[in-house]
Amino acid sequence: AQSVTQPDIHITVSEGASLELRCNYSYGATPYLFWYVQSPGQGLQLLLKYFSGDTLVQGIKGFEAEFKRSQSSFNLRKPSVHWSDAAEYFCAVGRNTGGFKTIFGAGTRLFVKA
Amino acid sequence: DGGITQSPKYLFRKEGQNVTLSCEQNLNHDAMYWYRQDPGQGLRLIYYSQIVNDFQKGDIAEGYSVSREKKESFPLTVTSAQKNPTAFYLCASSMEGVLGSPLHFGNGTRLTVT
Repeated sequence: AQSVTQPDIHITVSEGASLELRCNYSYGATPYLFWYVQSPGQGLQLLLKYFSGDTLVQGIKGFEAEFKRSQSSFNLRKPSVHWSDAAEYFCAVGRNTGGFKTIFGAGTRLFVKA
Repeated sequence: DGGITQSPKYLFRKEGQNVTLSCEQNLNHDAMYWYRQDPGQGLRLIYYSQIVNDFQKGDIAEGYSVSREKKESFPLTVTSAQKNPTAFYLCASSMEGVLGSPLHFGNGTRLTVT
């Protein structure tokens, strides 16, 4: 069965420091991979997506993610975190069986300290 | 601006009552989805619809029902059979037929049942 694991429930980083959020997936075929961000009490917003091609993908708000097939990982990174990046981040994998469905990880909550 | 509107933002009900959550989109998307979000569990798929007058159960459909009479609307009814209805409910849409089309989310409805 397909699954997505985000090992870190929460992470705290200092403003200006670099960030890496981990994501591992289990999927038999070439995956469609996504990162979404959610502010408290809001819906989710797409940060970036990977389908094929260049394994390093750029997203909005200065985020990037790298697909590593050998490690079944799709980690999200940002070189310098801003206080406004504090939110919950969800990694997701999409599968196309009887309609395109998206499976989400449990999320990682990011705290940013001054 | 195109988007997804969920109403109301907060909903309170007594145990044993059915309640309907509204979801309307003006993105001209064929596919619509309902997710339930609980702390630490990510998003779980309740129902989805790829086309008008058709819908399928997701992973946790028990105690819920939906209808899709119009392309723009996909209301979710939480019935009295749902054992733990208190949660944050998110509606989403995507372009059906476009492989890997990301989800567009509404801002959610927080349902509290006492």
